[in-house]
Amino acid sequence: RKEVEQDPGPFNVPEGATVAFNCTYSNSASQSFFWYRQDCRKEPKLLMSVYSSGNEDGRFTAQLNRASQYISLLIRDSKLSDSATYLCVVNASPLNSGGYQKVTFGTGTKLQVIP
Amino acid sequence: SQTIHQWPATLVQPVGSPLSLECTVEGTSNPNLYWYRQAAGRGLQLLFYSVGIGQISSEVPQNLSASRPQDRQFILSSKKLLLSDSGFYLCAWSVGSNAINTGELFFGEGSRLTVL
Repeated sequence: RKEVEQDPGPFNVPEGATVAFNCTYSNSASQSFFWYRQDCRKEPKLLMSVYSSGNEDGRFTAQLNRASQYISLLIRDSKLSDSATYLCVVNASPLNSGGYQKVTFGTGTKLQVIP
Repeated sequence: SQTIHQWPATLVQPVGSPLSLECTVEGTSNPNLYWYRQAAGRGLQLLFYSVGIGQISSEVPQNLSASRPQDRQFILSSKKLLLSDSGFYLCAWSVGSNAINTGELFFGEGSRLTVL
């Protein structure tokens, strides 16, 4: 079983649609969780952190379920500019530890927003 | 604010030639530094990380080496490239032990290597 699993997609959705991505992780000791966005042939960029209480940033909502070891990302009112690959990222290092960060990346879910 | 820069952005090299990719971080001290490789259609694979000058840890046996000659400089090298070394190489940093760390990694722009 992969440490971090995502549906590779692609998810083809029309502009204005709501789309949700899921991610599961296997290491129950994981401490922090993130969604990154990667545009074609570019570096990954942090989209948002994910908290158990759920967090929202504009049209984006992230949720963490520790019991099920499951992370989600919801995008509302999709824009053409949302087209990218979304990486689920899990960090097993203790919070606020300053050393090497044991980070595992999912292979990403590709989103294509269609006009 | 912190910035990370790596170069060159793109290179095409023949098999057997040497390689040197360089990465520098500004605006922070004693960062943790990482080299990742992303093959086409695949996830990010950690190659090396460093928690301080001269301290290099390797995650996978390979044809590459890394060095950290200065606090904010990280170099990826090879003496003789293989076809399988082709890929997208990403340098990243995370906050070091002298600051609050929330677990994120921050990436450079990437270096796309094609070995022919």
